[in-house]
Amino acid sequence: SQTIHQWPATLVQPVGSPLSLECTVEGTSNPNLYWYRQAAGRGLQLLFYSVGIGQISSEVPQNLSASRPQDRQFILSSKKLLLSDSGFYLCAWSPGSPSTDTQYFGPGTRLTVL
Amino acid sequence: SQQGEEDPQALSIQEGENATMNCSYKTSINNLQWYRQNSGRGLVHLILIRSNEREKHSGRLRVTLDTSKKSSSLLITASRAADTASYFCATDATAAGNKLTFGGGTRVLVKP
Repeated sequence: SQTIHQWPATLVQPVGSPLSLECTVEGTSNPNLYWYRQAAGRGLQLLFYSVGIGQISSEVPQNLSASRPQDRQFILSSKKLLLSDSGFYLCAWSPGSPSTDTQYFGPGTRLTVL
Repeated sequence: SQQGEEDPQALSIQEGENATMNCSYKTSINNLQWYRQNSGRGLVHLILIRSNEREKHSGRLRVTLDTSKKSSSLLITASRAADTASYFCATDATAAGNKLTFGGGTRVLVKP
């Protein structure tokens, strides 16, 4: 069966520090991968999605970047965090086209920037 | 802007009662999905309904879709305390580039 992992679970970082969040998927090949951010009590905002290694689509201009160095690994990064980067970051995967299939979510990383 | 908007934003009911929440969207869709999120956790897929379907059932869940009104409803029957969570609709619309767009969610509290 397929599983998705995210780490760390929680992170507290000072403004201006770098960020690296990792997401890995097991039990499937060539998944579509997604990074979402969720503000407190709000819906999900799609940040990046990837349909293959090295293929990244950015949805909104921001202080973040994403990379997919391996088929089942998706990394969210920042060189210098802003206060506004605080939130709950969710990684997800789907087996099919970017939208018509169910998406399976990881447990999330809660990031607090102080 | 968000494609899907849930209503109400919050709902409080007694165990055993039914919970109904609605989702409205703006552009034509290919499908609509409902997800549940327990506090501080990831989202869990509940049900997917395609644009040519009008109703789907899964256990105690019933989803309807009215494409003429651009709306969907999620009904949870005989609610349990474990149903306490936030519920999100997500739409797949060609106009959105065939990506899922999530609404703001409905927070449901089921009191024992």
